[in-house]
Amino acid sequence: GAGVSQSPRYKVAKRGQDVALRCDPISGHVSLFWYQQALGQGPEFLTYFQNEAQLDKSGLPSDRFFAERPEGSVSTLKIQRTQQEDSAVYLCASSRRAETQYFGPGTRLLVL
Amino acid sequence: QQQVKQSPQSLIVQKGGIPIINCAYENTAFDYFPWYQQFPGKGPALLIAIRPDVSEKKEGRFTISFNKSAKQFSLHIMDSQPGDSATYFCAASKGNFGNEKLTFGTGTRLTIIP
Repeated sequence: GAGVSQSPRYKVAKRGQDVALRCDPISGHVSLFWYQQALGQGPEFLTYFQNEAQLDKSGLPSDRFFAERPEGSVSTLKIQRTQQEDSAVYLCASSRRAETQYFGPGTRLLVL
Repeated sequence: QQQVKQSPQSLIVQKGGIPIINCAYENTAFDYFPWYQQFPGKGPALLIAIRPDVSEKKEGRFTISFNKSAKQFSLHIMDSQPGDSATYFCAASKGNFGNEKLTFGTGTRLTIIP
């Protein structure tokens, strides 16, 4: 594959709606990361998978955020009952074990 | 707690000049220090990275200088071009590089004027 892909690229949600953001990592990449990037800020870590195992979810801001990677490839970040403060760009990155993280283009989420 | 501090927030340099972006970290367990370049609407892309066992690394027009005792590192862009105009982020991680979460600085918006 060409690189990390994410969908949708843009998502507008009404406050209280649930959203699901998808990440397709580079084929063969074991590690997958989710980051949240607020406007004008650097990305902040949300969660990390090694294959299908979620090894670190310390950055998830609340129990409304949930991520999964059931077959060790595609990952989905789900946000329940969205709030305005959830508006941000959600970035996915993948890497081979112990190598550079490659980022996708991100999903821009706007909660009205 | 901001573990990686980056400055300046924005920088304007004339074409051919050498912009310098500085970062400082607090956690001595960090052992991998990459720089990412981000264009509007795109994800961050790795420019260059360094481990603390060397004090300088060059790749093309990009150079990282690293001062372990001061816990500081900086990015220099030689012969800057208008196409270098982007936001630059320093970052740090610990453990096996690439396999650990990155802690990013707040970013520097660089503008290169012709």
